[in-house]
Amino acid sequence: QSMVTQPPSASGTPGQRVTISCSGSRSNIGSNTVNWYQQLPGAAPKLLIYNNNQRPSGVPDRFSGSKSGTSASLAISGLQSEDEADYYCAPWDASLKGWVFGGGTKLTVL
Amino acid sequence: QITLKESGPTLVKPTQTLTLTCTFSGFSLSTSGMGVGWIRQPPGKALEWLALIYWDDDKRYSPSLESRLTIAKDTSKNQVVLIMTNMDPVDTATYYCAHSSTGTTKVPPYYYYYMDVWGRGTTVTVSS
Repeated sequence: QSMVTQPPSASGTPGQRVTISCSGSRSNIGSNTVNWYQQLPGAAPKLLIYNNNQRPSGVPDRFSGSKSGTSASLAISGLQSEDEADYYCAPWDASLKGWVFGGGTKLTVL
Repeated sequence: QITLKESGPTLVKPTQTLTLTCTFSGFSLSTSGMGVGWIRQPPGKALEWLALIYWDDDKRYSPSLESRLTIAKDTSKNQVVLIMTNMDPVDTATYYCAHSSTGTTKVPPYYYYYMDVWGRGTTVTVSS
């Protein structure tokens, strides 16, 4: 089965810029778009980025996404305490004909 | 405004069959491009996509669980059902349903897929 890899943890101080990476394969990130989700403690996931770099209405422009080859990244600038959450990348996978989720990255705001 | 709500048993016994219902509003599953997906999350673990059904009744399943899953829609009731057979304690998780959207670009031409609105989830424990 296709795998997508994220670092288990990331951290930063308020105001800092942090990036979270997502590494996949040709069948997912390499040939399809990537979505990113934010999951606050005890809550359902929330769509943060879709189609690699598009933000849904209401998502601050502090959040941005990018993709290159078989990797993608989520960047958060002007880090705030309320950004402390788990972040998941989820590319569409051509072989699955569905989504594959990364293992998630727990972001800590120091 | 799109909303979704999951419902079903909170406790099932090993080997039993789980039936979950997703009741939604704010869109019609007979509209082109619409879909509903199911995702689960074991306690303290990552999200896992399970299944997806489209407006045209096209169905997709996670290969690792395909033999145990059935997804179906009832357009008149605005509901999607997920059936999972032969439940095991490792299937203990919070189960989410989500609205799926399809977009397209012209240059370059491609489709993109995303789950943009999620339900709050329902917790299912598998234990004897």
